[in-house]
Amino acid sequence: NAGVMQNPRHLVRRRGQEARLRCSPMKGHSHVYWYRQLPEEGLKFMVYLQKENIIDESGMPKERFSAEFPKEGPSILRIQQVVRGDSAAYFCASSPRRLPNEKLFFGSGTQLSVL
Amino acid sequence: AQKITQTQPGMFVQEKEAVTLDCTYDTSDPSYGLFWYKQPSSGEMIFLIYQGSYDQQNATEGRYSLNFQKARKSANLVISASQLGDSAMYFCAFGETSGSRLTFGEGTQLTVNP
Repeated sequence: NAGVMQNPRHLVRRRGQEARLRCSPMKGHSHVYWYRQLPEEGLKFMVYLQKENIIDESGMPKERFSAEFPKEGPSILRIQQVVRGDSAAYFCASSPRRLPNEKLFFGSGTQLSVL
Repeated sequence: AQKITQTQPGMFVQEKEAVTLDCTYDTSDPSYGLFWYKQPSSGEMIFLIYQGSYDQQNATEGRYSLNFQKARKSANLVISASQLGDSAMYFCAFGETSGSRLTFGEGTQLTVNP
């Protein structure tokens, strides 16, 4: 059973470009979470999705950021018009059921670097 | 809002000794979960151990055990017989009853010395 798959592993963008980060949850998992980790900091919650629905996006900036988890295919975190402050590691996690009585399985993360 | 605190930015331990990493939380919810994750220098997040608020016994997973003191709102991670490969960042996390997220502490950098 493959784990949570994130790609790309590393992504370099210039200021003003778009970044698209992909996450395929573990098989059978319908709950997906995105987290951001700035250097030397802990993980900060961004958004929680179930298939085709955004459940909680309270941690996501209102501008430029969006997320989706379509019926078919991976979850996508999209950052438009990237700025240097968006440089961070973005982690996706999945679970088979809702928290808090389930552990989250994390992907290896996507390291976004904005030049 | 729930809050989770790790007061030790860095810890050092000798190989083969035990070490305790502290974690405290603040909540008024009766139902919640507590988690510990390890993040080695390679960056991935590795699940270590889970404790539910209604669990009667402290969780154990191999060399990892969770010292859960509900009244004190603490969930300390104990690593027995430390190994060099245990050197990593360790994060405590709190799971809300609403199910929206895990809230992570700021982490403790553990260094195991030979």
